[in-house]
Amino acid sequence: DAKTTQPPSMDCAEGRAANLPCNHSTISGNEYVYWYRQIHSQGPQYIIHGLKNNETNEMASLIITEDRKSSTLILPHATLRDTAVYYCIVRVVNTGFQKLVFGTGTRLLVSP
Amino acid sequence: NAGVTQTPKFRVLKTGQSMTLLCAQDMNHEYMYWYRQDPGMGLRLIHYSVGEGTTAKGEVPDGYNVSRLKKQNFLLGLESAAPSQTSVYFCASSYSREGTQHFGDGTRLSIL
Repeated sequence: DAKTTQPPSMDCAEGRAANLPCNHSTISGNEYVYWYRQIHSQGPQYIIHGLKNNETNEMASLIITEDRKSSTLILPHATLRDTAVYYCIVRVVNTGFQKLVFGTGTRLLVSP
Repeated sequence: NAGVTQTPKFRVLKTGQSMTLLCAQDMNHEYMYWYRQDPGMGLRLIHYSVGEGTTAKGEVPDGYNVSRLKKQNFLLGLESAAPSQTSVYFCASSYSREGTQHFGDGTRLSIL
């Protein structure tokens, strides 16, 4: 299973872009990178995922390096409600089943 | 549209007692999952189901049993609760094995 490495915590000023890095140097060619977040006391929330190309949706952008060994989640204009733990996950497929392996994530604190 | 609903939200048990956690989803999803989350840690998969009438073990299945008699419901049982099972339990569902997992808001279980 590919592992991910994330910084334990980051700070961001409200209104600025938050750039959350993730290393996944052992990722396989057919494994996707997923990002979820968990706001305090709530269940995890899906943000975005990608394989090779950069992706963007209404919540965030995902930048994946050409060698796929790392990626960055970008929240373009962070708000106080974006304060959460952000998980970078490499999707493992094992005998037909998708398993999400959650690490300890990055705790993002957005301040006024 | 409620999504994924977990009941109860909180529960305190004594060691040796039994109980069942209920997860219900109204999205017609085939796949359902039970995770536990301990303080400062990511989520760990307990059991999962790939369809009505099927169940399978995840990473940490010991001490738990599950049932999926109806497509919309996934039950997690503790036959003889132990203090080590004190945790927050999350249920999730997805339409397919590649699909995004949608999470409930969790059940906070304390075992004394």
